[in-house]
Amino acid sequence: AQKVTQAQTEISVVEKEDVTLDCVYETRDTTYYLFWYKQPPSGELVFLIRRNSFDEQNEISGRYSWNFQKSTSSFNFTITASQVVDSAVYFCALSEGRDDKIIFGKGTRLHILP
Amino acid sequence: DAGVTQSPTHLIKTRGQHVTLRCSPISGHKSVSWYQQVLGQGPQFIFQYYEKEERGRGNFPDRFSARQFPNYSSELNVNALLLGDSALYLCASSDAGTGAWEQYFGPGTRLTVT
Repeated sequence: AQKVTQAQTEISVVEKEDVTLDCVYETRDTTYYLFWYKQPPSGELVFLIRRNSFDEQNEISGRYSWNFQKSTSSFNFTITASQVVDSAVYFCALSEGRDDKIIFGKGTRLHILP
Repeated sequence: DAGVTQSPTHLIKTRGQHVTLRCSPISGHKSVSWYQQVLGQGPQFIFQYYEKEERGRGNFPDRFSARQFPNYSSELNVNALLLGDSALYLCASSDAGTGAWEQYFGPGTRLTVT
């Protein structure tokens, strides 16, 4: 069965601190895709990254970085030098690629305090 | 280019009524998916339509139905509304209709059932 677990419901950090959002997934498929989305208070889901199961290279985009480890079924997201504008709900998600169905975790609400 | 658009933005209905939500995908995208996001939870997959055919269906009752038109726009219909149907309804479009490609989400329709 497909499942995405985001154990951290809510995190608060002071601006400029680094923060890591955890994501653990379950799937029986060998081909799958992992995503992170940001949902600001406006409600629109903003795509951050997609990673396929065959590419375990870590990725860095500005202050954002992602650590994909198949051995532990984890796809963690780190924000370096956090800013107040990073405050949002972040969703980790999984797709098995046969269709557009995405399974989302319950999200982690991130508060960046000035 | 315009992104995914949804209408209406907000909607208030009474229990037992029927509602129709509309979605226009990004130009050239042939796949439309619908998600329900209840407050405090991650989005849940309802339907996917690709080239006007239903490709996937989530675990929702038959009160939920959808269709896709020749121009690839889509409608989500919900009959006999319940209080628990109150949620943000998100539409996403993609090009190929498989999870290998990025899905773009619209701003959502916030439905309140009283």
